[in-house]
Amino acid sequence: SQQGEEDPQALSIQEGENATMNCSYKTSINNLQWYRQNSGRGLVHLILIRSNEREKHSGRLRVTLDTSKKSSSLLITASRAADTASYFCATRGRSNYQLIWGAGTKLIIKP
Amino acid sequence: SQTIHQWPATLVQPVGSPLSLECTVEGTSNPNLYWYRQAAGRGLQLLFYSIGIDQISSEVPQNLSASRPQDRQFILSSKKLLLSDSGFYLCAWSVGLRGRSTDTQYFGPGTRLTVL
Repeated sequence: SQQGEEDPQALSIQEGENATMNCSYKTSINNLQWYRQNSGRGLVHLILIRSNEREKHSGRLRVTLDTSKKSSSLLITASRAADTASYFCATRGRSNYQLIWGAGTKLIIKP
Repeated sequence: SQTIHQWPATLVQPVGSPLSLECTVEGTSNPNLYWYRQAAGRGLQLLFYSIGIDQISSEVPQNLSASRPQDRQFILSSKKLLLSDSGFYLCAWSVGLRGRSTDTQYFGPGTRLTVL
C-alpha cells in the first residue's frame, strides 16, 4: 500500500490545545516532509526532516521521526483557528522526482 | 522570488470535450515540474513530471497528456474528457539540479475541474 499514511483522518480540537498527527511509511526514506493545505488551495511546505534527524522545530511546529518504527509525528502547539487545514506527509519515492503522499489529516480548530 | 500560476481556477466541461490547463513558473530556471490530481478528501496522485523541455514522464495510464513547450510552462491536456477526470489539479515545481530534484515542492493554487 501507499507510503505516508497519516492518522487520524480527522481531528477536531479547541483553540489553544495542541494537535498531534502521525504518519507511517513502509520503506526506507531519505527524508519526510509535512505540508498544509487550506480548503480548495494548493499545498504549502511546512517542514522537512532528514532520516538522520530525530526532531525538528519550526515556530509552533515540532516534527519527530522514528526510523525504527517508520513513523513521524507533527505537533502543532497552541493551535489557532488559522491552523484549520489538511496536513499531509510525503516521502521520497522510487525516483528522485516522485514524492509519495498520504491521504492527509483534516484538522479543525474550534474557537 | 519564485511564483507559480495556474489557470483557470475552476472549470466545468462536458464529457467528451477537450481540456487544456496551464501552469507557469516565474523567478527560477530549469525547474522540475509536476502535475497532480487530488480527489475529494484524498491525497495527491502524481500524473506527470518533467525535468526539462520535452522531457516528460507519465506515472499513470490515462487519457491525459502533458507538454512543456517552454522551460517554465507546463500544460495538461485531454482530447476527450471522461467523468472520472473530475478533480482538483495541482501543478508544482521543485529546484532542478543537473537532472536531480531537491525535495521541497512548491504548489500552485490549483484548478477545480468538474466534468458533467
